[in-house]
Amino acid sequence: KQEVTQIPAALSVPEGENLVLNCSFTDSAIYNLQWFRQDPGKGLTSLLLIQSSQREQTSGRLNASLDKSSGRSTLYIAASQPGDSATYLCAGGSSNTGKLIFGQGTTLQVKP
Amino acid sequence: AAGVIQSPRHLIKEKRETATLKCYPIPRHDTVYWYQQGPGQDPQFLISFYEKMQSDKGSIPDRFSAQQFSDYHSELNMSSLELGDSALYFCASSAQRNNEQFFGPGTRLTVL
Repeated sequence: KQEVTQIPAALSVPEGENLVLNCSFTDSAIYNLQWFRQDPGKGLTSLLLIQSSQREQTSGRLNASLDKSSGRSTLYIAASQPGDSATYLCAGGSSNTGKLIFGQGTTLQVKP
Repeated sequence: AAGVIQSPRHLIKEKRETATLKCYPIPRHDTVYWYQQGPGQDPQFLISFYEKMQSDKGSIPDRFSAQQFSDYHSELNMSSLELGDSALYFCASSAQRNNEQFFGPGTRLTVL
C-alpha cells in the first residue's frame, strides 16, 4: 500500500531564499508524482507532474525531481516570494487507474 | 482555458438528508476522480471513472454512489448524511489515466 510523507510539516523563510520541500513514498512501483499548491480553503493547483520514466520537471522558478530507487521527490523553489505562501502537497499515482495518494503537505510561509 | 467545474460550491444539509454533487471535466478529458478533504487533512481518494466505467474505488462509504454520464460529467450521490461527512469534495479530471490531474474548486459540504 502506497504511503506518502512530507517533511517538514511547516516552513517559514525570508523572501528571496531558495528552498526545498521533501516528499517520500513507500512503493517504488509508482506511475507518476504530482506536486500541488493549495491556498487556505481553496482547490488544488497542479504545479508539476513527473512520470515514472522522468527524473525531473521544471516550470519557472519551480523544479521537481523524482528518484524512484530511494522513494523520494523534492520540490525546489528558487527566489521565494510572499505570494508563494501556501500549502504544498505531493501525490503519488501508484496504480494503473491513476488514483493519487497524497502526503500531508508542507505549509510554507515566505516573509517579506 | 476551460477548467473543471463543480456545483454547487457550497451545500448545507441536515443529518440523514441526501446530497448530489456534480462535476464537469475539462473538455476531451475521459477520466474523473473524486476526493474528500476533511478539515486539516490531506485529500483522500473516493472513486474514479474512465470512459464512463468505474475504474477504481477507495475509502468511499456504502452510503455514497457515483457515476459518469455519456457527456463525461459525473455525479456523487450521498445519502444518510452524517456529521463526519462535512468536508471539501474535489473532482479532478485527466486525459486518460496516469496523466496530469486537474482539480475543480471543490464543493464544501456542511452537515448540521
